[in-house]
Amino acid sequence: EVQVVESGGGLVQPGRSLRLSCAVAGFIFDECAMHWVRQAPGKGLEWVSSINYNGGSIGYADSVKGRFSISRDNAKNSLYLEMNSLTAEDTAFYYCAKGHTPSIWSSYFDYWGQGTLVTVSS
Amino acid sequence: QSALTQPPSASGSPGQSVTISCTGTSSDVGNYNYVSWFQHHPGKAPKLIIYEVTKRPSGVPDRFSGSKSGNTASLTVSGLQAEDETDYYCLSYAGSNTYVFGTGTKVTVL
Repeated sequence: EVQVVESGGGLVQPGRSLRLSCAVAGFIFDECAMHWVRQAPGKGLEWVSSINYNGGSIGYADSVKGRFSISRDNAKNSLYLEMNSLTAEDTAFYYCAKGHTPSIWSSYFDYWGQGTLVTVSS
Repeated sequence: QSALTQPPSASGSPGQSVTISCTGTSSDVGNYNYVSWFQHHPGKAPKLIIYEVTKRPSGVPDRFSGSKSGNTASLTVSGLQAEDETDYYCLSYAGSNTYVFGTGTKVTVL
């Protein structure tokens, strides 16, 4: 059974940093691209970032480029999202999603976690 | 990276069909056959219901179907059931390792 579990959310002050983690099981992690998606309160889904199977190819939404950094540790079956210079606009549920293929561009999001809430507020 | 355009809402009676459009540009929907659709009940994990424009994952009823014409993709839900009432989002690959979601559509079963 595929399992995708996010962690690391919480309350953080504007301008500070936070690191999200995503632990997976039930599939061969290093054969799959991975993705982060967020949903702000009352808003729609927003793609945040993607990483290919070995971390050699990465993409970011314009809204987070230069502030967020995606990475993965295939030995630990884990995906990460380092978030810096956080603002209130980054307040959202953050979802980790498994890609179906190793590459980003052909990788539909077939399994998702339940999300972790990040609240940016003073 | 502008969001794809979906109607905010759609509705139908049980047993009827509803079609949701997802309009992008020649840089995303019109240029790639990597359009997928998700069903999202608030507070739960989004569920993939269509991928690569027309394909259904195992376990998704054939009441759900997808299509694309030019820069617009569409999701049709036939034989509407009460459990189909929720939010639906399209997603398209947009080149250069980026993706873009649709604005979302709330489906109501009357």
